[in-house]
Order: sequence, then structure tokens, then C-alpha cells
Amino acid sequence: EVQLLESGGGLVQPGGSLRLSCAASGFTFSSYVMSWVRQAPGKGLEWVSTIREGGANTYFADSVKGRFTISRDNSKNTLYLQMNSLRVEDTALYYCAKSVVGAPFFFDHWGQGTLVTVSS
Amino acid sequence: EIVLTQSPATLSLSPGERATLSCRASQSVASYLAWYQQKPGQAPRLLFYDASNRAIGIPARFSGSGSGTDFTLTISSLESEDFAVYYCQQRGNWPLTFGGGTKVEIK
Repeated sequence: EVQLLESGGGLVQPGGSLRLSCAASGFTFSSYVMSWVRQAPGKGLEWVSTIREGGANTYFADSVKGRFTISRDNSKNTLYLQMNSLRVEDTALYYCAKSVVGAPFFFDHWGQGTLVTVSS
Repeated sequence: EIVLTQSPATLSLSPGERATLSCRASQSVASYLAWYQQKPGQAPRLLFYDASNRAIGIPARFSGSGSGTDFTLTISSLESEDFAVYYCQQRGNWPLTFGGGTKVEIK
């Protein structure tokens, strides 16, 4: 059974940093494109970032480009999101998501999310 | 950036009725469109990818169609568990984008 377990969320002041982690199990992690998607309270879904299987290729939404970094450790089956220079508008539930076989950049499994709150 | 416009924003229907949800892209995404269902307090669930490929475990009452800029998600006969918010998402161009969602509520 595929499982994705996010951690690392919390309350942080504007300008601060957080590092999110997503522990994956139940599939060959190193073979899949992985992504982060967020959802602000009461709002819709927003794609944040994607990393390819080997980690060499990464993609970011304009809203986080230059502030967030995505990485992965395939030996630990773990996905990361380093978030710097956080803004109030980054407040959201952050989901880790696994891509569909043969259709990367669509998401067939999601974690339950970790809540990031940016507030003074 | 490709903008996905979902309509209607809210669909009020009774169990057993047919639901038709629309997703329109600001430019062609070929068939690179997915649909997700999200219930309160839950993560999204993939329904269809590449417009019409049904995800594992999705009941046959759900169908996805379309290509280019116009896509449709149809629920042939609504069951109680289908009342939720539905999102479309495209992977035809970076950045990946989601539509604003359609809420299917009980009438």
C-alpha cells in the first residue's frame, strides 16, 4: 500500500524558514516523479513544485521560485521542501503527491498534508 | 500560464441525478487533463488522467471526456458519496495548474 507521510509544518513568522519532509513507502520511490501541492484554508489546490526521479530536474510555481527548494533522498525514500523567506500568503496545507505511471505530473496518491502557518 | 475555468462553481443536485462538470482551458492542453475529487478534511483523489483514463478503483458511473480546450466530467447517477468538490488539472504546459473547483452539493 502506498503511503505518504508529511511532517515539518508549523507556525513561523514572516521571513522565516521551514523544511517539510515526506516519507514514502509501498512503492519504488526512486522510480517516480514527486511533487508538492498546497491548499490555503478554504481555497483550491495550487501546484508548488515537482522533482524528477533522479533529482536533477526540478520545477517551481512562480509564486515560490527563488524561495523554495525541492529535493529528494532516494536512499531514504524521502521528499523535501525547503521553504525560505516565507510570506503570509504561503499559509496552507502542504501535500506530498506521487505521480501516475506513464503520466508524470498527474498525482495518484497524496499524503494527508502538513499545515504551514505564516503569521506574526 | 494556462488558466483552467471550471463551471458551474456549484451544482445542486439530488441523488440519482446526472452531473455534468465542465473544465475549459485558456489554450490547448491536448489530452493532458486530470480530474480529482476532494471531500472535506481529505486529500484529493484522482479520478481520471489524460482526459479519459479512469484511475484505479473509480466506479463506472464516472466518465471523463474532451480534448484541446474543453473537457467534461460526468457522473451518470449521483450517489451520496459523490457530493464533494471536483478539480481539473493540466500538465500540457508549465506551470501545472488547477481549476478553481466545482462543488457538487445535495439539493
